[in-house]
Amino acid sequence: GAVVSQHPSWVICKSGTSVKIECRSLDFQATTMFWYRQFPKQSLMLMATSNEGSKATYEQGVEKDKFLINHASLTLSTLTVTSAHPEDSSFYICSAISGSSYEQYFGPGTRLTVT
Amino acid sequence: GENVEQHPSTLSVQEGDSAVIKCTYSDSASNYFPWYKQELGKGPQLIIDIRSNVGEKKDQRIAVTLNKTAKHFSLHITETQPEDSAVYFCAASGSVQFYFGTGTSLTVIP
Repeated sequence: GAVVSQHPSWVICKSGTSVKIECRSLDFQATTMFWYRQFPKQSLMLMATSNEGSKATYEQGVEKDKFLINHASLTLSTLTVTSAHPEDSSFYICSAISGSSYEQYFGPGTRLTVT
Repeated sequence: GENVEQHPSTLSVQEGDSAVIKCTYSDSASNYFPWYKQELGKGPQLIIDIRSNVGEKKDQRIAVTLNKTAKHFSLHITETQPEDSAVYFCAASGSVQFYFGTGTSLTVIP
C-alpha cells in the first residue's frame, strides 16, 4: 500500500512556542491531505482538509489561525501549531488520498506535548 | 451528515476464536467502507475495505460484509492471534471525507 510519513514522531515544546509537523506521501502524489487529532482512547477528529495549492478547509471549532496548514506540493503538507498551550497536547495524524482513489492512507502520527 | 456507530467498544476473545465488529451508517450516499487497525502509539492502518457494489470481501483471516439495505457492515476476524490485539475503526465515505466509528478495542487472550 501507499506510504505516508510524519515528522517528528514526537515533540515536546514549551507553552507559547510554535511547532511544525510535516506529512509526506512517499510513493504517490497526494491531491488531498487530512489532519486529524486524536485524544486517548477516542476516535479520530478531523481538523482540516487540504488540497495542493489551495487553502485548507477547517472543521467547525478548529481555529485556523492557531493550526496553520500548508499543502505546498503534491507530496507535502505541514501543520503548524502556533502559540502552543498544554491543552494542545495530543496525537496528531495526517492522511492522504491520491487522485480519484477512495483509499485514505495514514501517517504514523505525531505525539505533541506542550509543557 | 453521515453518522457512523460502532459496536462493541471493547471485545475480548480467546486466541483461535473469531471476532466480529459491527458498524451502522446513516447516509445512503456512502459507498466506500474501510476498516482500520490502530496499534498503540501508531497511525491507523488500512486492513480491508469494501465498496457498495459488493456484499462481501475476504482477505485471508479478515472479511467484511456489507448490507446496503440495512446500512450496516461488519468486520470478521477468524482464527484470532495475539497480534490482532489493537483498536479497530470502521469508516464510511461517499466523497472525499471519511466518517469514523468510535473504535473497538480488541484483546486476544493467549
